[in-house]
Amino acid sequence: ETGVTQSPTHLIKTRGQQVTLRCSSQSGHNTVSWYQQALGQGPQFIFQYYREEENGRGNFPPRFSGLQFPNYSSELNVNALELDDSALYLCASSLEASNTDTQYFGPGTRLTVL
Amino acid sequence: AQSVSQHNHHVILSEAASLELGCNYSYGGTVNLFWYVQYPGQHLQLLLKYFSGDPLVKGIKGFEAEFIKSKFSFNLRKPSVQWSDTAEYFCAVKSRGSGTYKYIFGTGTRLKVLA
Repeated sequence: ETGVTQSPTHLIKTRGQQVTLRCSSQSGHNTVSWYQQALGQGPQFIFQYYREEENGRGNFPPRFSGLQFPNYSSELNVNALELDDSALYLCASSLEASNTDTQYFGPGTRLTVL
Repeated sequence: AQSVSQHNHHVILSEAASLELGCNYSYGGTVNLFWYVQYPGQHLQLLLKYFSGDPLVKGIKGFEAEFIKSKFSFNLRKPSVQWSDTAEYFCAVKSRGSGTYKYIFGTGTRLKVLA
């Protein structure tokens, strides 16, 4: 069973640029959630995708957008990068978007915005 | 606004000491509750979860947590910690509204267990 994988591991961008982060969900999982974890903080929920549709969203501006593909892998896109976007971005997958699903986290992508 | 509070940011214990990490949340509706752990150099993994039923839930590695609805609390406990429990612990709440889900994590508690 393959776990959740994310790419790239590290990324450096400059303010104003755009970035795309990728996530492959665990085998058999159709739900993917994205989180932003700033240094010293807990993960903050960005959004969740279930069967290619956005299924929930946290308090993030529209320049944070996502996609989920038919194979249930996912992308997180961030436009007009700001210095405060520097963080670890985590992806988590689960078997089904339900009350009882359990999320499995990937290792994260460390984004630095200069 | 929904929130999750973890009272202790850093905890240092000696091996065999008992552990209790506090977690309180603010949300009036139905919630699912979780504790996650992040060991040094590893990614987040689930320790235990509460969905319904018995408010005392048992997780991996001897951890347990008790859901007290009247106090909006979900404290994590372990009777006797080991050096290998050194990690960061996160409490999380999952809520559902208007057919969509939202997750809120606490800021985490760093536990250091001295051998």
